[in-house]
Amino acid sequence: DSGVTQTPKHLITATGQRVTLRCSPRSGDLSVYWYQQSLDQGLQFLIQYYNGEERAKGNILERFSAQQFPDLHSELNLSSLELGDSALYFCASSVGQGATGELFFGEGSRLTVL
Amino acid sequence: AQSVSQHNHHVILSEAASLELGCNYSYGGTVNLFWYVQYPGQHLQLLLKYFSGDPLVKGIKGFEAEFIKSKFSFNLRKPSVQWSDTAEYFCAVNVNSSASKIIFGSGTRLSIRP
Repeated sequence: DSGVTQTPKHLITATGQRVTLRCSPRSGDLSVYWYQQSLDQGLQFLIQYYNGEERAKGNILERFSAQQFPDLHSELNLSSLELGDSALYFCASSVGQGATGELFFGEGSRLTVL
Repeated sequence: AQSVSQHNHHVILSEAASLELGCNYSYGGTVNLFWYVQYPGQHLQLLLKYFSGDPLVKGIKGFEAEFIKSKFSFNLRKPSVQWSDTAEYFCAVNVNSSASKIIFGSGTRLSIRP
């Protein structure tokens, strides 16, 4: 158990819909990262928050947004869903801003868009 | 843009065989390098990391990796694999100028025949 909790574990929805994925970091970790893993690609970095503020942005689509709340949990919002958004979405956390590279991953939220 | 390449998508070995998984990155400056492992049904976890110093890094479970700067490589090795090493292995790079952005390779699936 990494200490990072992601909900829901599985989600099936239709094209055009909007979903929210939730992540609770390890106790004491201030950074939260979101990654997308699809069948034909590796882990694509989406976005990182540190203590409530956006710190780094990767290949995140405009239809996607995220935030980190005062209690440090984070939510990833995916809207106007397309078939290609079907993927495993991982959240990870770290104590600092990530320089040490040791990220603690959740078990992922598997999104299926039909 | 920085990238990480893992050319072996799926490697199949027998128990006791030696393992080497390739990882190459594209960035000319200082990097921190990592290998993560994802056992079936589990979350990603850190296997080993390189920041500086001895380019031969020892990790958990008998794994090691060698940083060869001139080749932009950080290959993972294990002299004798076990069935329990069946997992997906991800190489990752953290560019010092962007401490928050940890880029992962596409992963190598390792299957060990008992």
